[in-house]
Amino acid sequence: NAGVTQTPKFQVLKTGQSMTLQCAQDMNHNSMYWYRQDPGMGLRLIYYSASEGTTDKGEVPNGYNVSRLNKREFSLRLESAAPSQTSVYFCASSAEGQNNQPQHFGDGTRLSIL
Amino acid sequence: GQQLNQSPQSMFIQEGEDVSMNCTSSSIFNTWLWYKQEPGEGPVLLIALYKAGELTSNGRLTAQFGITRKDSFLNISASIPSDVGIYFCAGQKTSGSRLTFGEGTQLTVNP
Repeated sequence: NAGVTQTPKFQVLKTGQSMTLQCAQDMNHNSMYWYRQDPGMGLRLIYYSASEGTTDKGEVPNGYNVSRLNKREFSLRLESAAPSQTSVYFCASSAEGQNNQPQHFGDGTRLSIL
Repeated sequence: GQQLNQSPQSMFIQEGEDVSMNCTSSSIFNTWLWYKQEPGEGPVLLIALYKAGELTSNGRLTAQFGITRKDSFLNISASIPSDVGIYFCAGQKTSGSRLTFGEGTQLTVNP
């Protein structure tokens, strides 16, 4: 009963390095999301994908790219990491189109940029 | 971006006490959700509310969807130490639209 699985759980990068955060869900959900969580600011949406093959910008997309590889997988890429991107990143999924189905979250990736 | 106003930001209570927290917004939402996040984990859905005026319970937790559709409340009765965590409200305007999150309420329960 995995739900939403994120890898890695922890990562430390140097400024300028690139990295891809992986997310997979086994609930056959159509929609997937990437959030960042910073102290005192709650969860902010980076990008989302309403269905396989589509992606859209969220509230804070700058410095990130995403790929909806297939229905199960949605990856987040930092091309040139910056200290301001130090955060906890959460992936979520939901079965949209059915009475506002709630989002289910992974356990997060804790990313530090030095 | 738009944020929900969630209060209080933190609460320190004794085991056995009841807890109330709320979220307000200047705009209308058609769905309200309440999540709990424990250290090192992602948010876990507690209660989902889909109708104005709706009152829904999940064990010792009760949440209400405000009549104006601009607010929601979460109550926890007879708190226990495992209630510790950060509680987030989230609003959704229409099916398929983005969630807007509150900033969270950090709950500490002293045994």
